[in-house]
Amino acid sequence: DAKTTQPPSMDCAEGRAANLPCNHSTISGNEYVYWYRQIHSQGPQYIIHGLKNNETNEMASLIITEDRKSSTLILPHATLRDTAVYYCIVRVDSGSARQLTFGSGTQLTVLP
Amino acid sequence: ETGVTQSPTHLIKTRGQQVTLRCSSQSGHNTVSWYQQALGQGPQFIFQYYREEENGRGNFPPRFSGLQFPNYSSELNVNALELDDSALYLCATRPGVDSNEQFFGPGTRLTVL
Repeated sequence: DAKTTQPPSMDCAEGRAANLPCNHSTISGNEYVYWYRQIHSQGPQYIIHGLKNNETNEMASLIITEDRKSSTLILPHATLRDTAVYYCIVRVDSGSARQLTFGSGTQLTVLP
Repeated sequence: ETGVTQSPTHLIKTRGQQVTLRCSSQSGHNTVSWYQQALGQGPQFIFQYYREEENGRGNFPPRFSGLQFPNYSSELNVNALELDDSALYLCATRPGVDSNEQFFGPGTRLTVL
């Protein structure tokens, strides 16, 4: 299973872009990169996912390097409510089971 | 709000007991996965159910079992509870086995004494 490596914590000023890195050097060609976040005492919330191309939605942008060994989640204008643990995940498909393998994540703290 | 509900919110059991946790999904979400999240760690995949059958399992012993009902609600059963089973148990549903996004419930906090 491809594993991910993230910094344990990061700070970001409110209103600035938050750039969260993730290394997944052993990712296979058909494995997707997912990002979820978890605000304290709540269930994880889906943010975005991608395979090869960069992706953007209303919450964030996902930049995947050409060799797919790393990616960056970008929150363009961080707010205090974006303070959470952010998980970079490589999705493993075993038959029809889609298993999300979570690591320890990055604690993002948005500072006023 | 994801529309996924779990009950109970908190539960305290003693070692050796059995526990049943419940999950109800949004209408039409026919696939459910269960995760265990120990304190300070990310969620770990337990198993997945689709159309009332288990079709994927993580590295958990057989004393962790589940059920999915015709209305797609689900149960997680844990027998012979151990202290290390203390964790937040999360269920995640999605509208189809091929859909990309999983919707997580708020979890059940289980404490084993």
